[in-house]
Amino acid sequence: TQLLEQSPQFLSIQEGENLTVYCNSSSVFSSLQWYRQEPGEGPVLLVTVVTGGEVKKLKRLTFQFGDARKDSSLHITAAQTGDTGLYLCAGAATDSWGKFQFGAGTQVVVTP
Amino acid sequence: DAGVIQSPRHEVTEMGQEVTLRCKPISGHNSLFWYRQTMMRGLELLIYFNNNVPIDDSGMPEDRFSAKMPNASFSTLKIQPSEPRDSAVYFCASWGTNNNEQFFGPGTRLTVL
Repeated sequence: TQLLEQSPQFLSIQEGENLTVYCNSSSVFSSLQWYRQEPGEGPVLLVTVVTGGEVKKLKRLTFQFGDARKDSSLHITAAQTGDTGLYLCAGAATDSWGKFQFGAGTQVVVTP
Repeated sequence: DAGVIQSPRHEVTEMGQEVTLRCKPISGHNSLFWYRQTMMRGLELLIYFNNNVPIDDSGMPEDRFSAKMPNASFSTLKIQPSEPRDSAVYFCASWGTNNNEQFFGPGTRLTVL
């Protein structure tokens, strides 16, 4: 059973467009991470958020952690073909250090 | 830094055979995680070790699965006997105390016929 629900499951956009993917849960997390995974490789960490309401920016990527620490969003501005990949969110429960529950992921395809 | 090393990268075996997957974590990292990824179930944590000691194996699907970490630089995940439903990509990840990031290996793609 996935505790983290990601939406949409699949997203196809053209280069230059903006996109937002969501990660929702009924559970409170002590921290939440976003990863990007490319075919044939393991996930690579993009960001960690720990404070409710926190917003972090990584170049064209903006990450937000919900006030109640139950949800998060990833917004990409002016998407590039290099942004193509599977975006995974992972949450750590407050009483389980190091044990991250992963969402099913959002497959993003950016076309030229 | 070579990163997390996993072997083999691909494994094809027949149902009933024993399968052993290997992982070398990043030097100095004291936590190691084994995950399984499938289209149906996504990325699932199977077991993790801290300082070579298994901390949580609640994700191990059944007794056919076992994992060991005999020292800080090596871990194995064994499936005996293997079944077709075990087909998946198995990832190993390691984590150091000085950062808040799991570094994943490239994975082992297992196919059980």
